[in-house]
Amino acid sequence: DAGVIQSPRHEVTEMGQEVTLRCKPISGHNSLFWYRQTMMRGLELLIYFNNNVPIDDSGMPEDRFSAKMPNASFSTLKIQPSEPRDSAVYFCASSPTTALSYNEQFFGPGTRLTVL
Amino acid sequence: QKEVEQNSGPLSVPEGAIASLNCTYSDRGSQSFFWYRQYSGKSPELIMSIYSNGDKEDGRFTAQLNKASQYVSLLIRDSQPSDSATYLCAVKVNTGNQFYFGTGTSLTVIP
Repeated sequence: DAGVIQSPRHEVTEMGQEVTLRCKPISGHNSLFWYRQTMMRGLELLIYFNNNVPIDDSGMPEDRFSAKMPNASFSTLKIQPSEPRDSAVYFCASSPTTALSYNEQFFGPGTRLTVL
Repeated sequence: QKEVEQNSGPLSVPEGAIASLNCTYSDRGSQSFFWYRQYSGKSPELIMSIYSNGDKEDGRFTAQLNKASQYVSLLIRDSQPSDSATYLCAVKVNTGNQFYFGTGTSLTVIP
């Protein structure tokens, strides 16, 4: 089975540009999470979806960040406009959330974003 | 107070020794606990989950949970250089579906 798929794996952009990160969760998983990881702040939850509906976006740093999940197999995280302080590794994770599961989260390979 | 706290290390152990990694959490109602391993430049990989008080063993790994003390640990027996990584503790709180991650403990196993 394919794991969580993220694209692109690396993104280098200039300040002010729009950045779109993409994620395909594991088939059958109905929860999806976006995280950001930096040396200074560790792994931070940005937003998570359950059955394609955003449940908690309190971790989204500011209005420049937005996330969508138009269907069960695709999600995007958009930053517009990007700033150098957005440079980080962005992970997508998915989880089954049935009564029989224990909600383990499985991570994608991440997107390393560099904003110049 | 952070939801999940870990000693950032670095922790160094000789090859073949037992590595002990510790984690405390603040939400007494937490129900699910996880250990992730993260190699440098890679994504977190789930290695253990535990839900009940006591020990859970999987190969060289043992997770220990003490809900009364709000404490969860990971023991790695017969440590190998390939175990050198950062280990993240994650806790699922009682409400919602999100995890809270600790900042991780860096482990180095010296050959």
